[in-house]
Amino acid sequence: GEDVEQSLFLSVREGDSSVINCTYTDSSSTYLYWYKQEPGAGLQLLTYIFSNMDMKQDQRLTVLLNKKDKHLSLRIADTQTGDSAIYFCAETGSSGTYKYIFGTGTRLKVLA
Amino acid sequence: GAVVSQHPSRVICKSGTSVKIECRSLDFQATTMFWYRQFPKQSLMLMATSNEGSKATYEQGVEKDKFLINHASLTLSTLTVTSAHPEDSSFYICSASGSKRLLGNEQFFGPGTRLTVL
Repeated sequence: GEDVEQSLFLSVREGDSSVINCTYTDSSSTYLYWYKQEPGAGLQLLTYIFSNMDMKQDQRLTVLLNKKDKHLSLRIADTQTGDSAIYFCAETGSSGTYKYIFGTGTRLKVLA
Repeated sequence: GAVVSQHPSRVICKSGTSVKIECRSLDFQATTMFWYRQFPKQSLMLMATSNEGSKATYEQGVEKDKFLINHASLTLSTLTVTSAHPEDSSFYICSASGSKRLLGNEQFFGPGTRLTVL
């Protein structure tokens, strides 16, 4: 079945880099996404990557995709206290619909 | 970008009453809308998918008579929690997909509705 796993917690110091990892099972996904959720709020799309790409960089964000291992990561450079939030990876399933399969979420805490 | 709103943002109701939550796409036509439920410190659980003008498709384990979904127009979907009970208390998030696309099939999310049933 389809399952997307993430580590639950990550704590880093302000200014350091954060790396959030995600493993997925559906190799037919066309896009993979990273969303940010702040307390009591909806989801904000941070970035995405096509399945035929290995890496994508967008300002402080770098996404790495290893299709062989079905591993996705999000690196946040120069992490700030405002980056503290829950981060979800998501893949589109193989059903051909618009359905997302969300990861379990990683709670990032940035220490000042 | 694509904006999705939800109303209300927060609602408190008594057990046994029904609550309606609205989800609107403000600047694009949403042919498909999704309703999610999120428990504290957990991921989003897809409840149902609705296409404009059609009956919603519910995920396994979601009671369609309990959670009524209507998607009567390309900009509005509603979720009605009928005869709400304390265990229905949760954060409900909608998303929309349709004419506004950066990619092929991305969803744009609303800010969520916090439902508390006393």
